Order: sequence, then structure tokens, then C-alpha cells
Amino acid sequence: NAGVTQTPKFQVLKTGQSMTLQCAQDMNHNSMYWYRQDPGMGLRLIYYSASEGTTDKGEVPNGYNVSRLNKREFSLRLESAAPSQTSVYFCASSDLLGPEAFFGQGTRLTVV
Amino acid sequence: AQSVTQLGSHVSVSEGALVLLRCNYSSSVPPYLFWYVQYPNQGLQLLLKYTTGATLVKGINGFEAEFKKSETSFHLTKPSAHMSDAAEYFCAVSGRDDKIIFGKGTRLHILP
Repeated sequence: NAGVTQTPKFQVLKTGQSMTLQCAQDMNHNSMYWYRQDPGMGLRLIYYSASEGTTDKGEVPNGYNVSRLNKREFSLRLESAAPSQTSVYFCASSDLLGPEAFFGQGTRLTVV
Repeated sequence: AQSVTQLGSHVSVSEGALVLLRCNYSSSVPPYLFWYVQYPNQGLQLLLKYTTGATLVKGINGFEAEFKKSETSFHLTKPSAHMSDAAEYFCAVSGRDDKIIFGKGTRLHILP
């Protein structure tokens, strides 16, 4: 049982490059999340998807786009990376029956 | 909308002493409340959760928390700290059918 799987685990980008962070869950959860974690800031919600086909902005959506491809997969895209987007990114999923969030292991992104 | 305030970004306790990590929340609907722990370079692991029912919730590793609606608090306690408890702890809140919002975290240091 893999739970929530994120790829890649590490990435270095140059300013202006684009990339997509992938996330998949095998728990049949309806809700999926993308958070970023920065020192002293906790986890801040970037985007949220309550179900397949729906997405909502979180606290810090600027500079990001998301796609809920199907119930399992929720990707996060940086169209033009900036140094301010250097962070650790976590994907999570949850379900009303839980309702706690289950987390992936994170992606450490550095933008130079 | 929901929000979380964690009092104290760093807390130090002696091994064997009481651990108390404070969390206050704001929610316009009856909340779900969570405590997560994060060890260095790892993802987040659920310690305990409150959904409905008993207001004193027991979690893993000897931790417990009490939901106090009148005080809008959900403080985390452990009677006797162990060196292995050194980690960062996050309080989180959600409404039903809603996204999960995290606090900024409290780093717990255990003094020998």
C-alpha cells in the first residue's frame, strides 16, 4: 500500500524554467492538496481539490497551476519558476470518512 | 473560514518533564482538529485527531489533546518527555467538507 506518492523527490530549476510536480494516491480519497513548507511559516495551502474535476485556490496560489487529472492524480505546475518558490512541497489526500490528511514524502525544490 | 495559532515556535523541556504544546483555532463551523509530527527530512505523521464525541483524544507515542470549545483550544500534552519526541509539531483544523489549514508549527527540543 503506497499511500501518497510524489515525484520527483529533489529538483533544481533555473529561474524561468517550468516543471510539473506529480502526485498520486491509491486510497480512493476524494480530496487532494498541495502545500508548501518554508521555515517558520508552517504548511501553507497552495491549491485544493475536493473531488475529481474541481480545484480551489488556497492561501498562496500565485505562480502555480494545478490539474486534477482523475481521482488518483493531482499535479502542480510552475510555469516560470522564481527563487521565491524554493521550498519543500507536500501533496496530501483525505476523505470524509477519515478525515485526516495523508502526506507524501515531499519534493525539495530549489530555484536558482 | 478556519485558522490556527500555535503559541511558541520553539519549546524546550527536560527529559521526563511534561510536554505542553498550545494550539488555538478559529472556525465558523464545528471543527475537525489534528496534531501532526514531523521528524527531520520526513513527511508528516498524524499523532491524533478530534472529530466528534469525547473531547479528550489519545494518540500515538503517549500524546493526548483536549478539545475545549469554550476556549477554542486543542493543546497537545505528554506526561513525560523522551528524547525521541524531539521534532516539529503542527496543529491543523478543518470544517466538514473543507480544506485542512495548518499552523506554523512548534519545534520541540528535549534537554537531557
